[in-house]
Amino acid sequence: SAVISQKPSRDICQRGTSLTIQCQVDSQVTMMFWYRQQPGQSLTLIATANQGSEATYESGFVIDKFPISRPNLTFSTLTVSNMSPEDSSIYLCSARTDENQPQHFGDGTRLSIL
Amino acid sequence: QKEVEQNSGPLSVPEGAIASLNCTYSDRGSQSFFWYRQYSGKSPELIMSIYSNGDKEDGRFTAQLNKASQYVSLLIRDSQPSDSATYLCAVNEGTSYDKVIFGPGTSLSVIP
Repeated sequence: SAVISQKPSRDICQRGTSLTIQCQVDSQVTMMFWYRQQPGQSLTLIATANQGSEATYESGFVIDKFPISRPNLTFSTLTVSNMSPEDSSIYLCSARTDENQPQHFGDGTRLSIL
Repeated sequence: QKEVEQNSGPLSVPEGAIASLNCTYSDRGSQSFFWYRQYSGKSPELIMSIYSNGDKEDGRFTAQLNKASQYVSLLIRDSQPSDSATYLCAVNEGTSYDKVIFGPGTSLSVIP
């Protein structure tokens, strides 16, 4: 399975600022995904990141708030923009090598907004 | 709204017992089913994937799938304290192989 590195692992940010989270995979993957996991909750999909095209966002998530880049088959970034305390959460990157294959996750970014 | 539900926890079992985790899903078109384990403060880790009706065994873990009943389960034999974690059931959305829907998770505690 692919090894996924995510950084930063954690950060504390001021409200109104933005943070970019990076996700690097050790092999080429077709699909990359960004999730949010709030304390005690399950995973909520933010968007699917396809190489060479715009990300596909889930209901409740918009590109202005969570812009995503996918410049190649091994890398993606998620930016959390104009942060508020409600954005405090764990953000997880995952990747899948092929259709129908399971996703594997990075270690996550624990984000706190003051 | 496509949903994945899991038996509410927390579930406590004594060490050495069988832990049974259950999951139901609403999308009849779903074809791929996954179980993840998530330790507190860690990211989800894939345990099992299952695609066909019946049982699939991997060590102490057995996944069971019944598409007609829209039911998938995970059995953990000879439960160990190290199995204490939250178990997430994940099901692909039937209309798309891209999107996977995660259940709310079941917290398992294995008591020594």
